[in-house]
Amino acid sequence: EVQLLESGGALVQPGGSLRLSCAASGFPFSSYAMTWVRQAPGKGLEWVSLIGGSGGSTFYAESLKGRVTISRDNSRNTLYLQMNSLRAEDTAVYYCAKLRGQHYNNYYMDVWGKGTTVTVS
Amino acid sequence: QSVLTQPPSVSGAPGQRVTISCTGSSSNIGAGSDVHWYQQFPGTAPRPLIYVNVNRPSGVPDRFSGSKSGTSAALAITGLQAEDEAYYYCQSYDSGLSGWVFGGGTKVTVL
Repeated sequence: EVQLLESGGALVQPGGSLRLSCAASGFPFSSYAMTWVRQAPGKGLEWVSLIGGSGGSTFYAESLKGRVTISRDNSRNTLYLQMNSLRAEDTAVYYCAKLRGQHYNNYYMDVWGKGTTVTVS
Repeated sequence: QSVLTQPPSVSGAPGQRVTISCTGSSSNIGAGSDVHWYQQFPGTAPRPLIYVNVNRPSGVPDRFSGSKSGTSAALAITGLQAEDEAYYYCQSYDSGLSGWVFGGGTKVTVL
């Protein structure tokens, strides 16, 4: 069974840092691009960052560029999101998701984790 | 303001047909980027409902259907059921932003 399990969410003070992890299982992890999506309380979904299967290509939402770094360890089947200079508006549930598609313009998120909660206060 | 525009809410009686629009621009849907739809119940993770404009993952009832034309896409739910009450999001890729974008989400209420 394909599974994604996020961890690392916590209560952190403004200006602090946090590293989120997403443990993957049930599929050849290195063969798939992965992404982070967040959802602030009572709000919609917001794409955060994406990384290619080998880790060589990374993309970031403009609003977060410079404060977050996505990475992956294919030997550990784990995806990461390093977040720095955290602000109150970063408070959200952070989901990792597996991507399917042949090209950027048809990538979609076919498997989602349950999410991990980050609170900046 | 979301790059993809969805109505905040739609409603219908059981058995009715409802549609949710997703309006983009020439840098995303109009540029040929595919549109995908997700369903989310409060307190749970989203799940894929329609991928690449018109395709349903296994397990998704055929009362859900997707379409795309020009700079817009739509999700239709025919034979609306009580368990369809949820939030629905469209998603695509924006070449101008070099990133993936979601609609603001639509709450479907079954009257």
